Amino acid sequence: DTEVTQTPKHLVMGMTNKKSLKCEQHMGHRAMYWYKQKAKKPPELMFVYSYEKLSINESVPSRFSPECPNSSLLNLHLHALQPEDSALYLCASSPQGGTNEKLFFGSGTQLSVL
Amino acid sequence: SQQGEEDPQALSIQEGENATMNCSYKTSINNLQWYRQNSGRGLVHLILIRSNEREKHSGRLRVTLDTSKKSSSLLITASRAADTASYFCATDEYSNYQLIWGAGTKLIIKP
Repeated sequence: DTEVTQTPKHLVMGMTNKKSLKCEQHMGHRAMYWYKQKAKKPPELMFVYSYEKLSINESVPSRFSPECPNSSLLNLHLHALQPEDSALYLCASSPQGGTNEKLFFGSGTQLSVL
Repeated sequence: SQQGEEDPQALSIQEGENATMNCSYKTSINNLQWYRQNSGRGLVHLILIRSNEREKHSGRLRVTLDTSKKSSSLLITASRAADTASYFCATDEYSNYQLIWGAGTKLIIKP
């Protein structure tokens, strides 16, 4: 199984809502990532978990809250988002972490904040 | 944040032709990777080339790396409609822990 599964595929939420994005992989990878991608732009790194511990937080606003319940799962909790947070949110994983490994990406969650 | 450079920004060619896109960086790297993204979905890894390698092949893909010019190119031979996608390069230019992404090249293959 070489897949990273993200749910939901699409999400529309109001600025007062709380929602969660989910990501799952069963490749035994120990590094998991959240990226944000605006249309026609490259992905922007948000968070990195390494061995279930948060290792990188790219100064992301606190309305985004990551969680890694175990080595296979990664969540992104969303609360009080702004319309400018509308984007494609991508989860990725790699065996150990580090830039000498290829990333395996999920198909993303297209988020619209109204 | 840092961002690598890619050119062209967009490329439109006829099916069967070859497509070449370029990626440049500013300092030094250990690795450079190429990814493909279809229609705003997930990215798919294509090739990783290390700084001590000059060329790598994978099927119809050929990647070259010129560290003296701080640039890499991705060549897709005998293009197909299914190659229509955005292509991104990514390096470890400033960090061992996170990739620096190029701006991307949007490739359109016309039937």
